[in-house]
Amino acid sequence: DIQMTQSPSSVSASVGDRVTITCRASQGISSWLAWYQQKPGKAPKLLIYAASSLQSGVPSRFSGSGSGTDFTLTISSLQPEDFATYYCQQANSFPPITFGGGTKVEIK
Amino acid sequence: EVQLVESGGGLVQPGGSLKLSCAASGFTFSGSAMHWVRQASGKGLEWVGRIRSKANSYATAYAASVKGRFTISRDDSKNTAYLQMNSLKTEDTAVYYCTRPPQGGFETLYMDVWGKGTTVTVSS
Repeated sequence: DIQMTQSPSSVSASVGDRVTITCRASQGISSWLAWYQQKPGKAPKLLIYAASSLQSGVPSRFSGSGSGTDFTLTISSLQPEDFATYYCQQANSFPPITFGGGTKVEIK
Repeated sequence: EVQLVESGGGLVQPGGSLKLSCAASGFTFSGSAMHWVRQASGKGLEWVGRIRSKANSYATAYAASVKGRFTISRDDSKNTAYLQMNSLKTEDTAVYYCTRPPQGGFETLYMDVWGKGTTVTVSS
């Protein structure tokens, strides 16, 4: 199984800050990577797919990059509604689908 | 509006069974694969399993942690997917989400629509 490792596990930031979250796959997954946002008590929401493609309706302050084993999710200017937990997911090797452990973005 | 609505969660004793349902609307359910993903309280996301469409022979796949105990099925006439859970363990306690891959083009393993989830508690 491909293991997905996210860092950091949590980050404290202020509105307007640039936030970067990293995700590392235990083996190469090309660009088969997605990012999800999850708010407390809610279902995950797809933000980014194919490592860098923005899902329809997602604000352009979210961006993704990377290929192979190393990926990043960047929020260019953090907004109040962006405080949430973010997960990466590999979509290359199946079964199983695997997720990273999550990164909680908290208010500083 | 594209929508997935899970139901059937509840409290069950260890070793018991439960069947979850996922009612779909707003898209061509019969042509779509469907996945189940779970999340224990305060923990991350865990993929449970998937069922493909009739065109793909209703092929199923499962996580190792549930293989042999859980079964995914579907009734395209009712636009509903199911998760039959047998021999339940305390570690199966979680919110269970059904979700689908993006439509159009070839099938991928991304998940663009999620239900709100249903809670399963396994406890004596």
